[in-house]
Amino acid sequence: LAKTTQPISMDSYEGQEVNITCSHNNIATNDYITWYQQFPSQGPRFIIQGYKTKVTNEVASLFIPADRKSSTLSLPRVSLSDTAVYYCLVGDDLSFQKLVFGTGTRLLVSP
Amino acid sequence: SAVISQKPSRDICQRGTSLTIQCQVDSQVTMMFWYRQQPGQSLTLIATANQGSEATYESGFVIDKFPISRPNLTFSTLTVSNMSPEDSSIYLCSVEKIGRDGYTFGSGTRLTVV
Repeated sequence: LAKTTQPISMDSYEGQEVNITCSHNNIATNDYITWYQQFPSQGPRFIIQGYKTKVTNEVASLFIPADRKSSTLSLPRVSLSDTAVYYCLVGDDLSFQKLVFGTGTRLLVSP
Repeated sequence: SAVISQKPSRDICQRGTSLTIQCQVDSQVTMMFWYRQQPGQSLTLIATANQGSEATYESGFVIDKFPISRPNLTFSTLTVSNMSPEDSSIYLCSVEKIGRDGYTFGSGTRLTVV
């Protein structure tokens, strides 16, 4: 399982776009990049997953360069409710793959 | 995705006692996972529970301390045995990925040992 590195924390204001970058230099050919969000007193929640280029859903966008050694989670126009910890995970896209969580990025959105 | 009910949501326990945490899933799943999240920290996998077989424990976790049951495809329990204050953490269960929405987690059990 590839190791990931993320900033420990980030601050933003409501309405701004937030980009959280994750480094995964040892990503393997079969590995996907997945992001989870965790609010206080809740379990992590799946946000988005990608393999290459760009993926977009109703919550976020995920940008993955050609070498796949990093990825960027983009949250458009954040609100106070986006204050959470965001985890980047790298691994096979298998149903039974155990997840290995890194330190995550603690995002604080202020008014 | 699956819906997980985890009980209790929180508890305060005396040292030396044991607490059993229950995880109920609304659909049949092959794999269930138990995690620990210490205050302000990330999640650490304790063990993987496969129905009908012994749980597989990660390094640093042992069956005597964290016995796990997996009697059927929708239910699992984790027991934290002979507790000490160092066991104060949030314990979360998770199930295998279903569909394209990643893994589902329970809301966790916040355990305080006094």
